[in-house]
Amino acid sequence: ETGVTQTPRHLVMGMTNKKSLKCEQHLGHNAMYWYKQSAKKPLELMFVYNFKEQTENNSVPSRFSPECPNSSHLFLHLHTLQPEDSALYLCASSQDSRRRGRLAKNIQYFGAGTRLSVL
Amino acid sequence: GENVEQHPSTLSVQEGDSAVIKCTYSDSASNYFPWYKQELGKRPQLIIDIRSNVGEKKDQRIAVTLNKTAKHFSLHITETQPEDSAVYFCAASVDNYGQNFVFGPGTRLSVLP
Repeated sequence: ETGVTQTPRHLVMGMTNKKSLKCEQHLGHNAMYWYKQSAKKPLELMFVYNFKEQTENNSVPSRFSPECPNSSHLFLHLHTLQPEDSALYLCASSQDSRRRGRLAKNIQYFGAGTRLSVL
Repeated sequence: GENVEQHPSTLSVQEGDSAVIKCTYSDSASNYFPWYKQELGKRPQLIIDIRSNVGEKKDQRIAVTLNKTAKHFSLHITETQPEDSAVYFCAASVDNYGQNFVFGPGTRLSVLP
């Protein structure tokens, strides 16, 4: 265990369902991330949160809605997904060095992921 | 935006041989380059990284080299072992805080006994 826990590990949902993915980190980090990992595609960064504030949204469709209530928890709310959204969704966390104002070395620790299937 | 390419997509080597995976990036402002290893069914884990102010870094059997002029960086694994079999991802960080990673498509390395 790396200290980043994702639930559920597997999720099957219909296109009209609403579900949420949960990520929790026990590493004392202040930055959290959502990635999408599809077959035959690179890992795609979806969202970045620093100190609970969203700082990156890489052109993600609005059917994905992130929520970061505190620096230890991150959610991804899903609604009216499409079959092409089926993928492994990975959460990661890191210690943001932004406030140190120097060139950063950002080690991101990943969770085990949620395998999502949209029918 | 940044674009990261990675070659080869698959690589098979005999146990004990060396493996080299190469990545190229497009944004000359990228300044941090991590490598992640993902074993089958497991999460990606950082194995080595390099900053733009360094040309080479070693950690036991693993080394990374960076050529900023040519905008490419490579992962070198020596004396490969079966447990090195995994998918390896390179990434380039396009912001000064090392958060906005663009990943390469991955290389599936198989070490044959």
